[in-house]
Amino acid sequence: NAGVTQTPKFQVLKTGQSMTLQCAQDMNHNSMYWYRQDPGMGLRLIYYSASEGTTDKGEVPNGYNVSRLNKREFSLRLESAAPSQTSVYFCASSAPGTGGAGELFFGEGSRLTVL
Amino acid sequence: AQSVTQPDIHITVSEGASLELRCNYSYGATPYLFWYVQSPGQGLQLLLKYFSGDTLVQGIKGFEAEFKRSQSSFNLRKPSVHWSDAAEYFCAVENTGGFKTIFGAGTRLFVKA
Repeated sequence: NAGVTQTPKFQVLKTGQSMTLQCAQDMNHNSMYWYRQDPGMGLRLIYYSASEGTTDKGEVPNGYNVSRLNKREFSLRLESAAPSQTSVYFCASSAPGTGGAGELFFGEGSRLTVL
Repeated sequence: AQSVTQPDIHITVSEGASLELRCNYSYGATPYLFWYVQSPGQGLQLLLKYFSGDTLVQGIKGFEAEFKRSQSSFNLRKPSVHWSDAAEYFCAVENTGGFKTIFGAGTRLFVKA
């Protein structure tokens, strides 16, 4: 049982390039999330998808777009990468039942460097 | 706005000693509270959670946390630390019924022999 799988694990971009981070979960969870982790700042929510067909902004959505492709997959796109987007990105998912996010299940992270 | 404060950026304890990691939150109602642990190069794993009921909650790996409404705190404790507990620990709060879980900045735990 893989849980939450993110690809790629590492990526180096030049300023202005675009890329998509892929995330898939096999736990039949309704909700999925993208967070970024920066030193001394914990994790900050970029976007989330409470259920298939919906997406909403989190704390730091600027410069990002998301697509909930189906129940399993939730991608994060950087259209024109900037050095400020150098970070470690985590995808997470959660099951319904608490009426909210509840326990989050995380992938192993994608380390992105923008030069 | 919701916020979570972890006052200690890092803590060093001796193996076998007790541990307490502090967490304070700011939220109008009773929130859902969590502690997660992150080992180097890994994602986060849930240690324990509080939704309602008994204010002392037990988690995995021998950890426990106590919700104190009057102090807006949710401190994490372990009676005897093992070297394998060295990691970064994150306190988090969710607005009840919402999807925006807010994380603290984290406390890195070092364990010395």
